[in-house]
Amino acid sequence: AAGVIQSPRHLIKEKRETATLKCYPIPRHDTVYWYQQGPGQDPQFLISFYEKMQSDKGSIPDRFSAQQFSDYHSELNMSSLELGDSALYFCASSWGQHNEQFFGPGTRLTVL
Amino acid sequence: GQNIDQPTEMTATEGAIVQINCTYQTSGFNGLFWYQQHAGEAPTFLSYNVLDGLEEKGRFSSFLSRSKGYSYLLLKELQMKDSASYLCAVWRGQNFVFGPGTRLSVLP
Repeated sequence: AAGVIQSPRHLIKEKRETATLKCYPIPRHDTVYWYQQGPGQDPQFLISFYEKMQSDKGSIPDRFSAQQFSDYHSELNMSSLELGDSALYFCASSWGQHNEQFFGPGTRLTVL
Repeated sequence: GQNIDQPTEMTATEGAIVQINCTYQTSGFNGLFWYQQHAGEAPTFLSYNVLDGLEEKGRFSSFLSRSKGYSYLLLKELQMKDSASYLCAVWRGQNFVFGPGTRLSVLP
């Protein structure tokens, strides 16, 4: 069965650079969620989109933005990167809002 | 995280039963989920409770009491591969909040 796809799987950036993470949900899933997980920490919900509109908002910094496109894939844009942004970024998708979420493998971002 | 409490670590023996408790702040509650996460991997969905009572799914069961802000995950017939972190998570208003997770070690 098709799963959530995230790209890239690994990304290394310098401080103050920008990064774009991509997420391709499971086919026919209409909701996408973004999470940040630091080492030894629980995942922190950033933001979600339902039917291409922002749905719920968690602790997403102002330096980050995201959107969901017409084909339901989503991109997380991160600007003015800081060392503290180094983390595993998960995308998840579901059919309908607030339902069972299927997680992608994550993108490991390292900021040097 | 954010007013969700779980035991930090638990240890159990292969073949045994273990219960992992989760308490949460009830304001804005809109559903509780349990996820399993192996180190460095993505969380995997285990169960979903929105109404009071017990949900059973194979070797895993989850219970919810909304008035008490309490849930537990019951794992039966433990296997070595069940060694992982177990995360309780709730929808609270517009925010999806994970608990700190319980690291379960299954011993032979």
